[in-house]
Amino acid sequence: GESVGLHLPTLSVQEGDNSIINCAYSNSASDYFIWYKQESGKGPQFIIDIRSNMDKRQGQRVTVLLNKTVKHLSLQIAATQPGDSAVYFCAEISGGSQGNLIFGKGTKLSVKP
Amino acid sequence: EPEVTQTPSHQVTQMGQEVILRCVPISNHLYFYWYRQILGQKVEFLVSFYNNEISEKSEIFDDQFSVERPDGSNFTLKIRSTKLEDSAMYFCASSVEGSNQPQHFGDGTRLSIL
Repeated sequence: GESVGLHLPTLSVQEGDNSIINCAYSNSASDYFIWYKQESGKGPQFIIDIRSNMDKRQGQRVTVLLNKTVKHLSLQIAATQPGDSAVYFCAEISGGSQGNLIFGKGTKLSVKP
Repeated sequence: EPEVTQTPSHQVTQMGQEVILRCVPISNHLYFYWYRQILGQKVEFLVSFYNNEISEKSEIFDDQFSVERPDGSNFTLKIRSTKLEDSAMYFCASSVEGSNQPQHFGDGTRLSIL
């Protein structure tokens, strides 16, 4: 089976609401995780990352939570805006890897005005 | 802000022909990658490259594929004898360090094999 997967393929939220996008991973050796945003016709855009020695990391309007006990990663977007509409991927790198990113399938976030 | 650039944005090629996809990574980055994304599917790792040699490669990256850094700025992916199933978006990425720094992606080359 795949190492990284997503619970929900689509998520629709109202503008201004908070969004939570979830991701499950199965490789306990993974020690670095990244969230990417992909807009139509563009490459994955780095949003935020977290290392396995952390549980939470905050950026501008985004927070990533890592629960190593249940191998779960989430991305929280505060005050979601129409410009946040995109497909969001979580990705992991296993310890010892030279940077082989393993991507999940992606969650499509749609923001309703 | 520095970015990874890829050319061409779209490449149409007859089956059996060779293609070269080009990338200019971010200038101070030392690690380079190629990924592909078949339409509607997740992004898949192909190969990583550091210090002028391949660091890791996936099962997808067979003898049909090769990478090269011909000069100080370009990083290329060559696909020999293309097949229909090679049709995909191909993304180049680069990072400062291999396993603990984010990889920054270009906007990809859409490869269409006819």
